[in-house]
Amino acid sequence: QKEVEQNSGPLSVPEGAIASLNCTYSDRGSQSFFWYRQYSGKSPELIMSIYSNGDKEDGRFTAQLNKASQYVSLLIRDSQPSDSATYLCAVFHGSSNTGKLIFGQGTTLQVKP
Amino acid sequence: NAGVMQNPRHLVRRRGQEARLRCSPMKGHSHVYWYRQLPEEGLKFMVYLQKENIIDESGMPKERFSAEFPKEGPSILRIQQVVRGDSAAYFCASSPPVRGGEQYFGPGTRLTVT
Repeated sequence: QKEVEQNSGPLSVPEGAIASLNCTYSDRGSQSFFWYRQYSGKSPELIMSIYSNGDKEDGRFTAQLNKASQYVSLLIRDSQPSDSATYLCAVFHGSSNTGKLIFGQGTTLQVKP
Repeated sequence: NAGVMQNPRHLVRRRGQEARLRCSPMKGHSHVYWYRQLPEEGLKFMVYLQKENIIDESGMPKERFSAEFPKEGPSILRIQQVVRGDSAAYFCASSPPVRGGEQYFGPGTRLTVT
């Protein structure tokens, strides 16, 4: 079982729709959760962080965390073609003396005009 | 406020040569992380450093790879005797001194081994 799992996609949505991206993780001790956006040939860009159960909203983005189900999601409202990218879910492991993030394989999102 | 800086952005090395990748963290950040992204693969942690200390190198290959973050100057990831399998994008990230805090990535160095 992979430590952080995402559907590779591609997830295709029409412009203006809600895109829903999902991520599950295996380590119950995980403490911090992040969503990064990565355009082809570019570096990951942090778009959301979430640390406690519930929803966190920032503009068109909402991150949802359910630690009991070991599940993190990202909703993108009013999707735009410029949102087309690979979205990486990352989890901070939580054990001492490490700061490493464990990344999922990423979900490719295509927003069609 | 400058972001994470990496250089060079592209590096071509022949098999057997050495590659040196540099990373300057964001202002106010004292923690540096190196990640590698192989073609068609995910982002993998390599090493976590603070000034003059390697905190976690559990993701570093045992041979040929080393990293440092001196008291003065950038962090350096060094790959000796490169092989074709080392061709990848190498990303540096930095964070403030908070465990589990947000990590911000630099533009990366794309290493090609010929």
